[in-house]
Amino acid sequence: AQSVTQLDSHVSVSEGTPVLLRCNYSSSYSPSLFWYVQHPNKGLQLLLKYTSAATLVKGINGFEAEFKKSETSFHLTKPSAHMSDAAEYFCVVLVGAGGFKTIFGAGTRLFVKA
Amino acid sequence: DVKVTQSSRYLVKRTGEKVFLECVQDMDHENMFWYRQDPGLGLRLIYFSYDVKMKEKGDIPEGYSVSREKKERFSLILESASTNQTSMYLCASSPPGRRNYGYTFGSGTRLTVV
Repeated sequence: AQSVTQLDSHVSVSEGTPVLLRCNYSSSYSPSLFWYVQHPNKGLQLLLKYTSAATLVKGINGFEAEFKKSETSFHLTKPSAHMSDAAEYFCVVLVGAGGFKTIFGAGTRLFVKA
Repeated sequence: DVKVTQSSRYLVKRTGEKVFLECVQDMDHENMFWYRQDPGLGLRLIYFSYDVKMKEKGDIPEGYSVSREKKERFSLILESASTNQTSMYLCASSPPGRRNYGYTFGSGTRLTVV
């Protein structure tokens, strides 16, 4: 069965320190993986995506994620947090031949302290 | 800049009312989706459409219907609103045959049913 697990519901970092948001997936197919960000009372914005090309994916706002098949992980990182990064982050796996089976993680809320 | 526009940011409706949530995209996307987002439950797919006049049930279609008369517009209908339909509703779209593209989301409609 396909699933996606975000290992932390909340992460708190200080401004200027690294960010790590963890995501593990389970898929019978070769997955497509995404990270989205949602700021308060806004829709979701695509940060980055993995689609079976390079395993290290760079996204917007300095974020990147590495696809590790052996660990079934797709963790999101950023070298230096900014106050504007405070938001909720969703890991998403897209499975199935038609691409309509989309599984959202429960979300990780990132807090950034000054 | 490509956009998915949801007509209302906030709505307050009474129990039993028929409610229409409108979503318009300007990207010529074939695929459109309606999700609801609730704390602790994440995003859940209500309905999706992969072409004009086509619709498919998602994971929680009960109490909802949809209409797709034009390619750019996908409407979600609450036939008789109930308090348990108070939620954030998110519309999304994606192009066909490019399932790895990811979704473009609207800003959401926060619906309160009283």
